[in-house]
Amino acid sequence: DAGVIQSPRHEVTEMGQEVTLRCKPISGHNSLFWYRQTMMRGLELLIYFNNNVPIDDSGMPEDRFSAKMPNASFSTLKIQPSEPRDSAVYFCASTRTETKAFFGQGTRLTVV
Amino acid sequence: GQSLEQPSEVTAVEGAIVQINCTYQTSGFYGLSWYQQHDGGAPTFLSYNGLDGLEETGRFSSFLSRSDSYGYLLLQELQMKDSASYFCAVRDHGGGFKTIFGAGTRLFVKA
Repeated sequence: DAGVIQSPRHEVTEMGQEVTLRCKPISGHNSLFWYRQTMMRGLELLIYFNNNVPIDDSGMPEDRFSAKMPNASFSTLKIQPSEPRDSAVYFCASTRTETKAFFGQGTRLTVV
Repeated sequence: GQSLEQPSEVTAVEGAIVQINCTYQTSGFYGLSWYQQHDGGAPTFLSYNGLDGLEETGRFSSFLSRSDSYGYLLLQELQMKDSASYFCAVRDHGGGFKTIFGAGTRLFVKA
């Protein structure tokens, strides 16, 4: 089992550019989470999908952020336009039991 | 809403026992989990308590008291490699079984 796969691992972009983060959950997992981690705010839940359907997006900071899950094996988190305050590590996690989540290695985003 | 409180830092010596506490407030509690995260790494699952009592997994144990909205992670026979951040997380079905994390406790293990 390859685990949760995220790409890219690192992204450096200029303010105003569009950024797309990608996630492949573990096969058979029916729930997927996007988290953002910063020193100031810790690990924040951005959005949660169950069976490819967004259940709770109350953590999405603003309209510049959007997430999709077109099928059970792929999800994207898009930021458009990006701002320096979006710099963080973005984690994708998936679970089948909802008692044990498996995290990807994260995407370290730097917006300059 | 949901909130979790845990100490920001704990320091202990190698071979000792350390307890990291977590208190929570949630609209629809469904379970308490613990995760470990080393610097530069991803959070990894340690344990889960859905019911009151103690769960033991090797050197790590986790406890839950739902009536007190309280849990703890107990680490025994501390090793240097246990230096990491530890997060408690609640599974909350108030909004569809989402998992919310505490701010994390940074554990420093000294020789």
